[in-house]
Amino acid sequence: NAGVMQNPRHLVRRRGQEARLRCSPMKGHSHVYWYRQLPEEGLKFMVYLQKENIIDESGMPKERFSAEFPKEGPSILRIQQVVRGDSAAYFCASSPNPTDTQYFGPGTRLTVL
Amino acid sequence: DAKTTQPPSMDCAEGRAANLPCNHSTISGNEYVYWYRQIHSQGPQYIIHGLKNNETNEMASLIITEDRKSSTLILPHATLRDTAVYYCIVRVASGGSNYKLTFGKGTLLTVNP
Repeated sequence: NAGVMQNPRHLVRRRGQEARLRCSPMKGHSHVYWYRQLPEEGLKFMVYLQKENIIDESGMPKERFSAEFPKEGPSILRIQQVVRGDSAAYFCASSPNPTDTQYFGPGTRLTVL
Repeated sequence: DAKTTQPPSMDCAEGRAANLPCNHSTISGNEYVYWYRQIHSQGPQYIIHGLKNNETNEMASLIITEDRKSSTLILPHATLRDTAVYYCIVRVASGGSNYKLTFGKGTLLTVNP
C-alpha cells in the first residue's frame, strides 16, 4: 500500500511566479490536510479538504493561496505570485476519516528566489 | 486541545532504551496522546497513540500515567536512524476541529554511537 505521495519534492520559483504542489493520498483515504513548515519552525495547519470540498481553510493566508481536491486526481495547493516568505516545506497528510490517524507525505520544499 | 511540554533535546546511546517524556497536565478525558517524529528534512512519521491504556507496537511503547497528565514514549533499542525530532500531540477524539494537529517544538533525540 503506497503511502502519501507528493510532487515535486523540490520546487524553485522566482518572485511573482506560481507554484503548484500536488498530493496523492493513501489508497482509501478521502481526507487531505496541508501543513506548512517555515524554516526552524513547527508544522502549522493550513487547510483540510474532502473530495471536491474545502472543509476548513482557517490556516491558509487570505491572499494568493488556494487548494482543491477534485473528484479525480491529486489535491493541489496553489500559490500565486510567490514571495520569498513563501519559502518553506509543505506537507500533505491523509486519513480515511477526520478522526483517524493522519499519515504524512515526504513534503515539497519550495524555494523562492 | 491541551498543551504539551517536552524537553528540547535528549541524548541516548545506541542500543539503549530512549525514554521521551511529555507533560499534558490539562488533558481532557476525551483527548488522545499522539506521537510523531520527523527525521531531518522528511515528513512527520506516525509512531503511536493512546487514550489511557499503555500501548505497544513494532516501533515503540507508550506509557500514560494513571492521571493522564504525562506520558513517556519508549524506543526499546535506539539506533542511529532514530535520531529525529519527536512530537507529542494531544488531540480530541472527535468533534470540533480535531483534525488540526498542533505541532510544538518537540524533542530532538540524538542517538550516539
